[in-house]
Amino acid sequence: DIVMTQTPLSLSVTPGQPASISCKSSQSLLNSDGKTYLYWYLQKPGQSPQLLIYEVSNRFSGVPDRFSGSGSGTDFTLKISRVEAEDVGVYYCMQSIQLPLTFGGGTTVEIK
Amino acid sequence: QVQLQESGPGLVKPSQTLSLTCSVSGGSISSGGYNWSWIRQPAGKRLEWIGRIYTSGSTNYNPSLKSRVTISVDTSKNQFSLKLSSVTAADTAVYYCSRGDSVVVVAAWGQGTLVTVSS
Repeated sequence: DIVMTQTPLSLSVTPGQPASISCKSSQSLLNSDGKTYLYWYLQKPGQSPQLLIYEVSNRFSGVPDRFSGSGSGTDFTLKISRVEAEDVGVYYCMQSIQLPLTFGGGTTVEIK
Repeated sequence: QVQLQESGPGLVKPSQTLSLTCSVSGGSISSGGYNWSWIRQPAGKRLEWIGRIYTSGSTNYNPSLKSRVTISVDTSKNQFSLKLSSVTAADTAVYYCSRGDSVVVVAAWGQGTLVTVSS
């Protein structure tokens, strides 16, 4: 299985300040079709996960542009340009280049 | 917009079979191009993909659970189901159903249902 490792475990951010989360995979997520199958999800308190980013850097429908994804191969980053109160929760990365789909351990973002 | 809702017993005895159903609304489960997954989350642990089924009926399972898992689809009821046999306390988790496609393999999620394995 591909192991997804997220850092840090948690972040405490002042509203309006940026935040960055790292996700590293044990194998390259670049497929032969040229696409890289890395996703980001946010699980808000008491809710199910919601998709933020697909294929490294594509924002899903309705996701604010303060969220951005970048990276390649095995190293990826999710950035929030200006954290808002509604951004609190646990962020997960996930890979789908190889079955089984696997998730990172999560990064908890809280507001200072 | 598609909505998914998990249902089933919240308590299952050890060694028995866990059975959950995901009801799909806002779209037909028969629509081509989608896959329907089950994912679980034990308390304090990371999300674990269980498996998926396509409208065609073809399935993929997590090898760690494959011997105990069956996912099936009932197009007449617009539902798909999960059966997990020989459960133990380690199977206690919130279980989610989801829908994906060729671009986003896990897009829409149900709200999740807690299943506890205990005698």
